[in-house]
Amino acid sequence: QKEVEQDPGPLSVPEGAIVSLNCTYSNSAFQYFMWYRQYSRKGPELLMYTYSSGNKEDGRFTAQVDKSSKYISLFIRDSQPSDSATYLCAMSPYNNNDMRFGAGTRLTVKP
Amino acid sequence: DTGVSQDPRHKITKRGQNVTFRCDPISEHNRLYWYRQTLGQGPEFLTYFQNEAQLEKSRLLSDRFSAERPKGSFSTLEIQRTEQGDSAMYLCASSPTPTLEDTEAFFGQGTRLTVV
Repeated sequence: QKEVEQDPGPLSVPEGAIVSLNCTYSNSAFQYFMWYRQYSRKGPELLMYTYSSGNKEDGRFTAQVDKSSKYISLFIRDSQPSDSATYLCAMSPYNNNDMRFGAGTRLTVKP
Repeated sequence: DTGVSQDPRHKITKRGQNVTFRCDPISEHNRLYWYRQTLGQGPEFLTYFQNEAQLEKSRLLSDRFSAERPKGSFSTLEIQRTEQGDSAMYLCASSPTPTLEDTEAFFGQGTRLTVV
């Protein structure tokens, strides 16, 4: 079993839909939870990070962390074609010296 | 300073050759990380530096791999005697020294290595 599990998709939604992306993990030491967006053949771009449990909102993006269930989510409201990319969850213990990534979910938002 | 810069962006090399990649982090970022990403997978941690000190190496970093950050600024990653399995995107990231609630790392565009 991988330390971080993420459904690779692909996920295809119509423009304007609400997108839900999820990851589960097994290591209780993780305290920092990140979501990165990666366009084809580009480096990952940090979207959101959350410390410990709770919710965090930034524009159309909301990140949720449930440490008791070892489950994190990213919601994208009013999805746009420009949101089409691979979304990677990542997590690390305090020192951020070893982020563990999910495999990434490939999202396509159709006009 | 517009972000983490990596050079070259692409590298094609013959099996058995040595290659070296360079990473210039965001100015004043004390931490620098190297990751490797293969097709369809998330990045995998290789190693990281706090200033010029290399503090952790993954078991993925075989003895053919070596990384340096001699002056605590830019870093190089060298792969000796390349193998076809080394073909991947090599990503560099940097961050300030993490505090309790702030640990953001920013990635460069990566160096795509193809070993033929």
